[in-house]
Amino acid sequence: QSALTQPASVSGSPGQSITISCGGTTNDIGSYNFVSWYQHHPGKAPKLMIYEVTKRPSGVSYRFSGSKSDNTASLTISGLQTEDEADYYCCAYAGGSTVVFGGGTKLTVL
Amino acid sequence: EVQLVESGGGLVQPGGSLRLSCAASGFTFRTYWMTWVRQAPGKGLEWVANIKRDGSENYYVDSVKGRFTISRDNAKNLLYLQMNTLRAEDTALYYCARDEDWGMGTLSIWGQGTMVTVSS
Repeated sequence: QSALTQPASVSGSPGQSITISCGGTTNDIGSYNFVSWYQHHPGKAPKLMIYEVTKRPSGVSYRFSGSKSDNTASLTISGLQTEDEADYYCCAYAGGSTVVFGGGTKLTVL
Repeated sequence: EVQLVESGGGLVQPGGSLRLSCAASGFTFRTYWMTWVRQAPGKGLEWVANIKRDGSENYYVDSVKGRFTISRDNAKNLLYLQMNTLRAEDTALYYCARDEDWGMGTLSIWGQGTMVTVSS
């Protein structure tokens, strides 16, 4: 049950694109297509942005997209907006009905 | 409106116990796996435990096994987390969440959280 590996911070300017990586192992990301991403503004409940690697829930902007290659998942945000500034967490199924989160990435929109 | 509301948090001494509750409304509670996630001050999210729709199976992060118990009352639309032998490192904001994917971590609905502080 080791945490997934995310960069502590990323930044970008309005209109740019950024990608947040999420490193796992063959026991989690590498074995299952159950990777989700959450946006978390301080003081609010986390919000599901991507699930099952690439799917977007209803109401989430098309600017958010997810992908996976081997043991690494990625979240890409295109056309950055100031309201995208938040903490982002990846989450993956780790087998045996257990789940693991990444350490979180703080996105700053300059 | 689909909603989850946690309660039961507070200040407790090391070694003490606390029971958290999560009241669900606006959806058919008995048809979803449910999850507890916590966030320690200044730290990231940590998955704590989940429970199957009928309560017949439950799973825990290693650090709480043997100390925490997740349960549910489908007749009352309530989720619980019984926390025993609490430690300082259990201090966190505890969220309950609804899982769309049978316990595989697609957490679509979250509550606002309830704060647990373990301190003497």
